[in-house]
Amino acid sequence: DIQMTQSPSSLSASVGDRVTITCRASESLGNYLNWYQQKPGMAPDLLIYGASRLQSGVPSRFSGSGSGTNFTLTISSLQPEDSATYCCQQSFKTPLTFGPGTKVDV
Amino acid sequence: QLQLQESGSGLVEPSQTLSLTCAVSGGSISSGRYSWSWIRQPPGKALEWIGYIYHIGSTYYNPSLKSRVTISVDTSKNQFSLKVNSVTAADTAVYYCARGSAANGMGVWGQGTTVTVSS
Repeated sequence: DIQMTQSPSSLSASVGDRVTITCRASESLGNYLNWYQQKPGMAPDLLIYGASRLQSGVPSRFSGSGSGTNFTLTISSLQPEDSATYCCQQSFKTPLTFGPGTKVDV
Repeated sequence: QLQLQESGSGLVEPSQTLSLTCAVSGGSISSGRYSWSWIRQPPGKALEWIGYIYHIGSTYYNPSLKSRVTISVDTSKNQFSLKVNSVTAADTAVYYCARGSAANGMGVWGQGTTVTVSS
């Protein structure tokens, strides 16, 4: 199985801050890496697919980059509604696997 | 707009079978080259992919659960289902269904349903 790790596990930042979350895979994924936002009691929402493609309807302050084994999710100007857990997921091969998540407090 | 809705047993006794259904509305389960997944999330833990099915019936399971899991599709009812046999407390989780593809991630999710394994 492809193992996914994320750092940091949690962070606290202020409105307007630039925030970066890192995701690493145990083997190369090409660009088959997706990012999700999950708020308490809710289903995950897809933010980024294909490592850097913004899902329709997602604010442009979210961006993704990377390829191979190292990926980043960046929030350019943090907003109060961005308080959530963010996780990465590889869709390169089965079994599909998720990262452990990064909790962001604003 | 495509919507997914999970339904099924919320309380299951140990050693019994967990059964859930995901109803698809606003679109056909047979359209496009999508996979239809089941994912679960134990309390306070990360998401775990259980498996997925294509509308033609081909399935892919997580090896960690494969011996106990069956995913099936009913295109006439526009829904797909999950069965997990011989459940234990470790199967207690919120269960989600989702539509996805390798290139585009899982873009549509159900709201999730809580399953508790307890006597």
